[in-house]
Amino acid sequence: AQRVTQPEKLLSVFKGAPVELKCNYSYSGSPELFWYVQYSRQRLQLLLRHISRESIKGFTADLNKGETSFHLKKPFAQEEDSAMYYCALLSGAGSYQLTFGKGTKLSVIP
Amino acid sequence: GAVVSQHPSRVICKSGTSVKIECRSLDFQATTMFWYRQFPKQSLMLMATSNEGSKATYEQGVEKDKFLINHASLTLSTLTVTSAHPEDSSFYICSARAGQGYNEQFFGPGTRLTVL
Repeated sequence: AQRVTQPEKLLSVFKGAPVELKCNYSYSGSPELFWYVQYSRQRLQLLLRHISRESIKGFTADLNKGETSFHLKKPFAQEEDSAMYYCALLSGAGSYQLTFGKGTKLSVIP
Repeated sequence: GAVVSQHPSRVICKSGTSVKIECRSLDFQATTMFWYRQFPKQSLMLMATSNEGSKATYEQGVEKDKFLINHASLTLSTLTVTSAHPEDSSFYICSARAGQGYNEQFFGPGTRLTVL
């Protein structure tokens, strides 16, 4: 069965400092991974997906199959980055279900 | 991006009553809708997958007679919590996906259910 692990419940960094939110996964097939973000009092929204290899709001994430990781990184944290971040794994076989990690709350200190 | 709405946003009910939550895709046709449950400070747990015109597929441990899901049209899915009890109090979130193949899931704002 697939599993997504986010080891940190809470991560606090100072504004301008680098950020790394950790995500590890377990999946027997070829993984498709995503990062979702939930700002205060807002709905969950897609931040980025590994197949797009894009940078959104300065965030990037690289899929490392050897380490089964998909860590989210940003070189300089901004206050508006404070939010809950969820790593998610898509299971295919026609179901397109997402398995979410427990989430990491990022707090950027001004 | 596409918009998914949920109604109501918050509901308080007495134990033993049934509550219906609606999930609508406002500007696209949702082939598949998903229902999640989120406990405080915990992750989203998938409850069921709903395909338009067919029966929902429930995850292990989710009582299908307790959580009735109907996906009668390409823009509407409903979750009915039957004979609700305090332990059913939670945050229920739906998401919708359009078309065949992988498409992004768009999430609703969630419904806070409190059972007294």
